[in-house]
Amino acid sequence: QSALTQPRSVSGSPGQSVTISCTGTSSDVGDYNYVSWYQQHPGKAPKLMIYDVSQRPPGVPDRFSASKSGNTASLTISGLQAEDEADYYCCSYAGSYTFYVFGTGTKVTVL
Amino acid sequence: QVQLQESGPGLVKPSGTLSLTCAVTGGSISSSNWWTWVRQPPGKGLEWIGEIYHSGSTNYNPSLKSRVTISVDKSKNQFSLKLNSMTAADTAVYYCARRRVVVVAANFFDYWGQGTLVTVSS
Repeated sequence: QSALTQPRSVSGSPGQSVTISCTGTSSDVGDYNYVSWYQQHPGKAPKLMIYDVSQRPPGVPDRFSASKSGNTASLTISGLQAEDEADYYCCSYAGSYTFYVFGTGTKVTVL
Repeated sequence: QVQLQESGPGLVKPSGTLSLTCAVTGGSISSSNWWTWVRQPPGKGLEWIGEIYHSGSTNYNPSLKSRVTISVDKSKNQFSLKLNSMTAADTAVYYCARRRVVVVAANFFDYWGQGTLVTVSS
C-alpha cells in the first residue's frame, strides 16, 4: 500500500488561504469517509486537526476546513497565521487488511 | 485528559529487537480504545505500525506484520511494541497514540505521545 500523495510544500502570506491536496485511490480515500488531517510542528507530535473528512475537533480554529472529492481529499487553511507554519499529513482508513495509510506530508510556509 | 508516554532504549543493534512501552495516564487502558503505534523516519512521513484493544485483539500493517508484536499490560496501564530483525530502515521516531471507540470505533488518532527516537546502529 503506497502512501497518499501530497504536495511537498505550499506557501502563502499571512491572511491568505492555502489548500493542500491528498490523493489516494479507490481503495482508501475514494472508498471511505475516514480521512483525517494532522498538524506537526518541528520536533513535536502530530496534532489532530480534522477527522471524518471535514469534522473539526474541539479547539481547532474554524480557519481549518476540509473536504473530499473522489480519490482526493483537501485541507484549506484560511486567514493564514504564523503559527500555522508546520507539516501537515493526511491519513485514510484503507480497509481491514491495510487499515491506515498516511500521506507524504506537506510543509506549509507562511511568507 | 489522557496522556501517553513512550519509553525504551534509544539505540538498537542491527538484527536486534526493538522494545518500547507506552504508559497511559489520565485514563484506563481497559477503556474502549484502540492503542496504536506510528513511526516517522527522520525527515520523512508517518507510517502506521499497528494497534491493540484491551481484549488483546491486534491489527498490524501488512508490510511489518511478520516482525511486529503489540501487547497490553492492564496491571501497569501500558502497552508495548516489539519489532524484530531491525535494520537501519527502522530508524525512526516511534509514537504511541489512541484511536477512540465511542459506540463505534473512530478512524483517527486523537491523543499522541511525544515520541521517542530509536536509532539502529552497531
